[in-house]
Amino acid sequence: AQKVTQAQTEISVVEKEDVTLDCVYETRDTTYYLFWYKQPPSGELVFLIRRNSFDEQNEISGRYSWNFQKSTSSFNFTITASQVVDSAVYFCALSESQGGSEKLVFGKGTKLTVNP
Amino acid sequence: DGGITQSPKYLFRKEGQNVTLSCEQNLNHDAMYWYRQDPGQGLRLIYYSQIVNDFQKGDIAEGYSVSREKKESFPLTVTSAQKNPTAFYLCASSILGRYQPQHFGDGTRLSIL
Repeated sequence: AQKVTQAQTEISVVEKEDVTLDCVYETRDTTYYLFWYKQPPSGELVFLIRRNSFDEQNEISGRYSWNFQKSTSSFNFTITASQVVDSAVYFCALSESQGGSEKLVFGKGTKLTVNP
Repeated sequence: DGGITQSPKYLFRKEGQNVTLSCEQNLNHDAMYWYRQDPGQGLRLIYYSQIVNDFQKGDIAEGYSVSREKKESFPLTVTSAQKNPTAFYLCASSILGRYQPQHFGDGTRLSIL
């Protein structure tokens, strides 16, 4: 069965520090998708990125970057020069294929607090 | 603007009472989902629907029921059989095919009176 592990329950940093959020996954599928979502205090989840299993290129979007390594089944997320507005819970998720249904399996999330 | 609307934002349930959480989307998405979030936990799937008049159980469907009579609406009923309903409930929708990203509503926080 699919599984997503976010070992870091909570992380606290000071503004302008770089921070990396870890995500390790388990799957038997050869084709799969990985996602990162941000949940600010307001509650709704905001989609950040989707990556498929055939695309191992790292991605950078502004201060955000993602490192996908199939060899270690990891899809880590780095925020460079963190800001207070980055404070949120971040979830990593993995696609689960089951009888044609498209579902996601979520990790338990990492709560990031960026202090001024 | 297109999006997902969940209501109410806060809901209180008495013992033995059924309550219904509303979820409406105007994104023209085929798929809709209901998740439950408990403190320190990830999102757990309750029910999902990929087409009108059809839905499937997720990982924790016991004590819940849904309907999908219209493409844009996917209400969730928390029945009296759900003994621990206090949680944050999130509704999501997506385009079908190749795991398109899910879009989420603002959530409903349900508490027991």
